[in-house]
Amino acid sequence: ETGVTQTPRHLVMGMTNKKSLKCEQHLGHNAMYWYKQSAKKPLELMFVYSLEERVENNSVPSRFSPECPNSSHLFLHLHTLQPEDSALYLCASSQDGGGHEKLFFGSGTQLSVL
Amino acid sequence: QQQVKQSPQSLIVQKGGISIINCAYENTAFDYFPWYQQFPGKGPALLIAIRPDVSEKKEGRFTISFNKSAKQFSLHIMDSQPGDSATYFCAAIVDATNKLIFGTGTLLAVQP
Repeated sequence: ETGVTQTPRHLVMGMTNKKSLKCEQHLGHNAMYWYKQSAKKPLELMFVYSLEERVENNSVPSRFSPECPNSSHLFLHLHTLQPEDSALYLCASSQDGGGHEKLFFGSGTQLSVL
Repeated sequence: QQQVKQSPQSLIVQKGGISIINCAYENTAFDYFPWYQQFPGKGPALLIAIRPDVSEKKEGRFTISFNKSAKQFSLHIMDSQPGDSATYFCAAIVDATNKLIFGTGTLLAVQP
């Protein structure tokens, strides 16, 4: 148990659906991240929140919408996704100021878009 | 310039053997190089990391070798065990930024 919990573990959705991924960290960290992991590709950083403010948005399509209501919770709202968005979505947290030295990942949500 | 190139893509090693995974980078501003281990169904977990002011770091059976002039670093797993079977990712970051750049991963299978 890494202290970062993601739900759901698996999600299948159609292209017209709206769904949300949830992440909760129990480590007292103040920075949270969304990464996308596709087969045979490097992990792609999508969003970074530090002290509940978005500090990074790596040219992610608007069909992905993050939300960070507090330092322990992070959401990724999904709508009108495409089949190529199928991937493992990983949430991570760290203590800001220490950068990525202590980056803790959740187990991910395996997303399939039909 | 932001890429980290990792090889091999997959690796099969006999139990007790040495597993070696290599990474190369271009950005000389990178100042922190972690390795992550990922088991199926789990997220990556930090395994070991190094800064460019040292040439080697060892933790148990895991060693990072770092060659600053060649802009390369590698992970060595000594006495490899079946429990080491996982995907390994190298990564690099400029510490002042939030952008951890990952390699493409190496799937390691240690055969009993």
